[in-house]
Amino acid sequence: QSLLTQPPSVSAAPGQKVTISCSGANSNIGNNYVSWYQQLPGTAPKLLIYQNNERPSAIPDRFSGSKSGTSATLDITGLQTGDEADYYCGTWDTSLSAGVFGTGTKVTVL
Amino acid sequence: QVQLQESGPGLVKPSGTLSLNCDVSGGSVISSDWWGWVRQSPGKALEFIGQIYDSGSTNYNPSLESRVSISIDKSKNQFSLQLTSVTAADTAIYYCARVRWQRLGTFLYYFDRWSQGTLVTVS
Repeated sequence: QSLLTQPPSVSAAPGQKVTISCSGANSNIGNNYVSWYQQLPGTAPKLLIYQNNERPSAIPDRFSGSKSGTSATLDITGLQTGDEADYYCGTWDTSLSAGVFGTGTKVTVL
Repeated sequence: QVQLQESGPGLVKPSGTLSLNCDVSGGSVISSDWWGWVRQSPGKALEFIGQIYDSGSTNYNPSLESRVSISIDKSKNQFSLQLTSVTAADTAIYYCARVRWQRLGTFLYYFDRWSQGTLVTVS
């Protein structure tokens, strides 16, 4: 059972913006940095965002992250059909001494 | 560029032991990084299994801790996963990954390199 809660799905038309939320607790998001992963159908997860809002060099700036309190958010602007995927948040849980992932959100481009 | 490739049986009998190796290329397991295992049951979310440092220090998912063991073989530049007493609920795609973990006041923690994943079926 995941400790990080995400909406099951979000959708928008091409070119529009979607926002994915990730809700946790003080023991995880509240006191540690958040990362985000994109999982295209049938492939391994790929790191999108780390340290709340940093992007690996190959990730376009259409993807951005933020954190406030015990929640984090991933924004995808200029939505493209290639962005259709599952997205997961992740962080460290200090109480569990373990990594934790979100429940996952499926992004659909209408 | 670090690459990871897992290997091991794709079919394990119930009550048996699941064993997977993860070969690391383009880098060394003897580094300032941790190395981890994540799994994904069909149609489900990612689940942290555990991680290991080159010193042998480990962290495990509390829900799996009684059945899981992660080890590291520096001579082979690989790390391994063993999960005992498996059931159908352990059927999943298993990924190995490089973990970036630092304490910068708060914990900076993320997986930046992933293997392609291997399906292990318990049946």
